[in-house]
Amino acid sequence: GENVEQHPSTLSVQEGDSAVIKCTYSDSASNYFPWYKQELGKGPQLIIDIRSNVGEKKDQRIAVTLNKTAKHFSLHITETQPEDSAVYFCAANRGSTLGRLYFGRGTQLTVWP
Amino acid sequence: EAGVVQSPRYKIIEKKQPVAFWCNPISGHNTLYWYRQNLGQGPELLIRYENEEAVDDSQLPKDRFSAERLKGVDSTLKIQPAELGDSAVYLCASSLDRGVIGEKLFFGSGTQLSVL
Repeated sequence: GENVEQHPSTLSVQEGDSAVIKCTYSDSASNYFPWYKQELGKGPQLIIDIRSNVGEKKDQRIAVTLNKTAKHFSLHITETQPEDSAVYFCAANRGSTLGRLYFGRGTQLTVWP
Repeated sequence: EAGVVQSPRYKIIEKKQPVAFWCNPISGHNTLYWYRQNLGQGPELLIRYENEEAVDDSQLPKDRFSAERLKGVDSTLKIQPAELGDSAVYLCASSLDRGVIGEKLFFGSGTQLSVL
């Protein structure tokens, strides 16, 4: 099966700085890469996703990049705010349906005011 | 619009006892998923339903876990008997139609199970 590795496990930044979280995957057939934000006591919430035919996608302060050759993808958050503090998970999926998402172990992001 | 609803939020039981979790997906969502999230890790799929049919249960420990989704709406996940290693957060999720790539996966807040 797929193996998704995520780094770093914890990340602390000052408000207004940028944060970058990186993930690698093992299955070259994976074609869909979502990112989820999980706040304490809540379920994961999709914040951005990218398909394998796209190299970069941006949504306001959040962007995701994908390097299929190297099998890695990254989440970029600019102008961080305290409310960005949460655990972020990357995930990978193969096939035409959301059959089985393979998640990374998560990154605890803390944004200090 | 109501999100995915799960109950109970917390459950504490002794080992060897049975336990059940309930999930009501977003109205109209045909695909339902049960994930387990161990402390400090990402969620792992246990079972996926398309309407009433379990289309992927390969990761469900069938000796002690069972699930059902009668009438293709809400679902119940059961553990009997529970073991210490079952302590985790059990997440339910749903998507609109067969979970086609590009569709959003919506998670509930989960049930946190502690087995003593």
